[in-house]
This record gives sequence, C-alpha cells and structure tokens, in this order.
Amino acid sequence: NAGVMQNPRHLVRRRGQEARLRCSPMKGHSHVYWYRQLPEEGLKFMVYLQKENIIDESGMPKERFSAEFPKEGPSILRIQQVVRGDSAAYFCASSPLTGRNTEAFFGQGTRLTVV
Amino acid sequence: AQKVTQAQTEISVVEKEDVTLDCVYETRDTTYYLFWYKQPPSGELVFLIRRNSFDEQNEISGRYSWNFQKSTSSFNFTITASQVVDSAVYFCALSEARSNTGKLIFGQGTTLQVKP
Repeated sequence: NAGVMQNPRHLVRRRGQEARLRCSPMKGHSHVYWYRQLPEEGLKFMVYLQKENIIDESGMPKERFSAEFPKEGPSILRIQQVVRGDSAAYFCASSPLTGRNTEAFFGQGTRLTVV
Repeated sequence: AQKVTQAQTEISVVEKEDVTLDCVYETRDTTYYLFWYKQPPSGELVFLIRRNSFDEQNEISGRYSWNFQKSTSSFNFTITASQVVDSAVYFCALSEARSNTGKLIFGQGTTLQVKP
C-alpha cells in the first residue's frame, strides 16, 4: 500500500508563474489536508478537503491560492502568480476518517522555490 | 485559542546522553489529541505518537518515552541514550475534537543535534 504521494518533490517557478502541487492520498483515504512550512518555521494548516468538497479553508491565503480534490485524481494545490514569499515546503496528509481519532499520514512534501 | 509552544529552538547533546523535548499546549476543548512528529534532514514527516486527552498514562517505546501531564498542559518527549540518527527537527502538534476536522496545530519545532 503506497503512502501519500506528492509531486513534484521540488518545483522552481519564476515570479508571476503558476505552481501546481499534486497529492495522491493513501488508498482508501478520502480526507486530505495541506500544510505549509515556511523556512525555519513549523507547519501551518492551510486547507482540509474531502472528495469534491472543501471542508475547512481557514488557513488559506485569501488570494492566489486554491485547492481541489476531485472525484477522480489527486488533490491539487494551485498557487497563481507566485511571489518569493510563497517559497516553502508544502505537505499533504491524508486520513481515512475525520482525523480526530486517526493518524494523518504525511507525504514527503513539495519544496517550492520562487526565483 | 489553541496553541502549541515548543520553547526550545535548538538542543545539542552528545551521543548517549538523555534529552527531553518540551511541549506545552493551550486549548479550551476537553477532548483533544496530541502528537509528536520527527522531521529528519531528508525532510519527510515521521509520525511518532498520538495521545488522547483522556489517557494520561505515560508511554515508552524503545528509547522514546512521553510524559503527558494535563495539570501543566504539557506533553514532553524524552529520548534515552540518544544516537546520531536521532538528529532531526521534532514537532509537537494538537488536534481539537470540536473542530471535527482533524487539522493539526503545530509547534515551532525543536532542532535536536546529537554529536558523536
């Protein structure tokens, strides 16, 4: 059973370009979380999705960031018109149920560098 | 408001020493979950432990042990006889049941360096 798969592992974008980060949850998991880790900081919650629904996006920046988890395919975190401050590691986690009673399994992260 | 504080930014020890990583949390929820994760230099997050608020029994797993004290809102992590491979950033995290989402609130992390 493969773990949470994130790709790409490393992504370089020029300022103003779009970044698309992909997350395939573990098999059988229908809940996905995205977290951002800025340099020298802890992880910050961004968004929680179930299949085709955004449940909690309280940690998402109001502009340029969006997330989806379609019925088929991976979850996508999309950052439009990237700026240097978006450079960070973005982690995806998945769980089979609402996570309060379960462990969320993390992917290896996507390291975004904006040049 | 919910918050997790790891006051120790960096700790350096010599191999075979014992080391304790502190974690203090704040929550108004009566049901919550506490976690520790390890982030080695390779960058992935490795799950170490989950503890619910109703279980104050301390836990030991090999060289790792955890001391959960509700009275002081602390969930400290001790590594006994540390090894170089323990060098990593360690994160404590909190999940509140009332949010019903399972989202984690992380501390800032403690960087542990174990020298040979």
